[in-house]
Amino acid sequence: QKEVEQNSGPLSVPEGAIASLNCTYSDRVSQSFFWYRQYSGKSPELIMSIYSNGDKEDGRFTAQLNKASQYVSLLIRDSQPSDSATYLCAVIRVNTGFQKLVFGTGTRLLVSP
Amino acid sequence: EAGVVQSPRYKIIEKKQPVAFWCNPISGHNTLYWYRQNLGQGPELLIRYENEEAVDDSQLPKDRFSAERLKGVDSTLKIQPAELGDSAVYLCASSLGGVRDSPLHFGNGTRLTVT
Repeated sequence: QKEVEQNSGPLSVPEGAIASLNCTYSDRVSQSFFWYRQYSGKSPELIMSIYSNGDKEDGRFTAQLNKASQYVSLLIRDSQPSDSATYLCAVIRVNTGFQKLVFGTGTRLLVSP
Repeated sequence: EAGVVQSPRYKIIEKKQPVAFWCNPISGHNTLYWYRQNLGQGPELLIRYENEEAVDDSQLPKDRFSAERLKGVDSTLKIQPAELGDSAVYLCASSLGGVRDSPLHFGNGTRLTVT
């Protein structure tokens, strides 16, 4: 079982719709979760972090965390073509005392005009 | 604020040749990371530095990969000899503090092609 699992997609949504991106993780003791956006040919950039169960909103983005289900999601409201990118879920794993940021394979999002 | 600078942007070499990548982190960032990203995959950590000290190099293939961070600023990642499977994008990132509280800032990466 992979540490961080994501559907590779592509997830296709029309402009203005809500895009829902999902992620599951295997390490029950993980406490910190992140969403990175990566445009094609570019490097990842952090868009959201979440540490507590529930929702965290930032503009059009909402991160949701359910530790009991080991599930993290990212909702993008009013999706724009400029949101088309790969979204990487990342989880901090503690290994022999060190915190390591582990990435999923990413979900490719396509927003059509 | 200048971002993380990496060079070269692209490198094509034949297998068994050596190659080196250079990274200059954001000024003041004590933590530096080298990640490798294969096509269609997420980044995988190779090594993490806290200042000059390599605090996590468990995923670094030490038989052919080496890294250094002299004076706790710039860093170099070397592969010798390169193999076909080393073809990937090598990403350098830096952060102000620990990975939980400080976002990683990535450079543009070096795309390595081994033929």
